[in-house]
Amino acid sequence: DAGVIQSPRHEVTEMGQEVTLRCKPISGHNSLFWYRQTMMRGLELLIYFNNNVPIDDSGMPEDRFSAKMPNASFSTLKIQPSEPRDSAVYFCASSQDRVDNQPQHFGDGTRLSIL
Amino acid sequence: GDSVTQMEGPVTLSEEAFLTINCTYTATGYPSLFWYVQYPGEGLQLLLKATKADDKGSNKGFEATYRKETTSFHLEKGSVQVSDSAVYFCALSNRGPSKLTFGTGTRLQVTL
Repeated sequence: DAGVIQSPRHEVTEMGQEVTLRCKPISGHNSLFWYRQTMMRGLELLIYFNNNVPIDDSGMPEDRFSAKMPNASFSTLKIQPSEPRDSAVYFCASSQDRVDNQPQHFGDGTRLSIL
Repeated sequence: GDSVTQMEGPVTLSEEAFLTINCTYTATGYPSLFWYVQYPGEGLQLLLKATKADDKGSNKGFEATYRKETTSFHLEKGSVQVSDSAVYFCALSNRGPSKLTFGTGTRLQVTL
């Protein structure tokens, strides 16, 4: 079975550029989560969607960050303009919420470096 | 709000040693509890879970028991291997959408 697919795996770009991270959740999953992981701050939840609707975006650091989920099989996380402090590994995860307490399944992440 | 506290790492053990990674939680209601593992360069993978008090989750030789009286979910393994070297995250989920509250992670290093 295909897991959560993220692209690109690595991204290196200069500050000020727009960055778009992509995620394809597991088919049939109706919740999707974006996380950021750094050594200093650990794993942070940025935003999560349920049935393609953003439910909680309180973790989005600032207006430079935006996320969309136009359909059940695709989501994007965009940073515009990017800054060096955005350098981190970004993970997407999905889960099936029609049954309580189902685990989240994570992608392998996008390692983002802003120069 | 909900929170998870894990022991600080890194934890360094010799192969075949006994492992305990402590995890305690604060939550309203009756959360489900999870352990996730992250190998280098990869995303988090579910290791085991328990959904009610006194449940024991187990997988790949790892075990954890949901202790409501002590609000704990300690991870144990009787004999670790070098391949167990990874970062381990304790997490909880309350009823409803499966939003997880994670601990800070504990790095385990197993040496020969």
